[in-house]
Amino acid sequence: DIQMTQSPSSLSASVGDRVTITCRASQGISNYLAWYQQKPGKVPKLLIYAASTLQSGVPSRFSGSGSGTDFTLTISSLQPEDVATYYCQKYNSAPSFGQGTRLEIK
Amino acid sequence: EVQLVESGGGLVQPGGSLRLSCAASGFTFSSYAMSWVRQAPGKGLEWVSAISGSGGSTYYADSVKGRFTISRDNSKNTLYLQMNSLRAEDTAVYYCAKDLLMIQMYYFDYWGQGTLVTVSS
Repeated sequence: DIQMTQSPSSLSASVGDRVTITCRASQGISNYLAWYQQKPGKVPKLLIYAASTLQSGVPSRFSGSGSGTDFTLTISSLQPEDVATYYCQKYNSAPSFGQGTRLEIK
Repeated sequence: EVQLVESGGGLVQPGGSLRLSCAASGFTFSSYAMSWVRQAPGKGLEWVSAISGSGGSTYYADSVKGRFTISRDNSKNTLYLQMNSLRAEDTAVYYCAKDLLMIQMYYFDYWGQGTLVTVSS
């Protein structure tokens, strides 16, 4: 099975900072990668699919990149409402999620 | 407006069974693959099972294969998850989730609010 590993597991950043979260697949998955945001007590929200395609309605400060085994989610200017846990998910075969990255405001 | 409403969760003893339901509305249900995703208390997301729009293809995580069965009734716009031989590690909130596109890619644009399954004696 292909394993998805996110780093870091948690991070703290200041409002306005550029934030990057990494997701690594144990085998190549082309661009079959999605990113989700889950705020405390809420259901997950799709941010990005096909590694870099922004889902409708998602602010443009979110972006994704990568292909093969290494992927990144970038928030260009961190906002208070971005406090959440972020998950990557591969979907080219049996879907699976990374373990999550908890993002807090410093 | 797309709505997914899960039901059927509750407290069950180890070894017991439950059937979860997810009532869908606001989209052409039969055109979209659907999945169940679970989240143990304080933990991350775990994909559990998926089913194609027609119901002809089903997929399972290794952790539930042979114990859980996914199905759908397109005439009732309802997704199901039959869970047998339940274990303590199956304790989680179970979400139903809709594929974004009509091409069975298994990433999800709409999620239900979830139903809690607790396996305990």
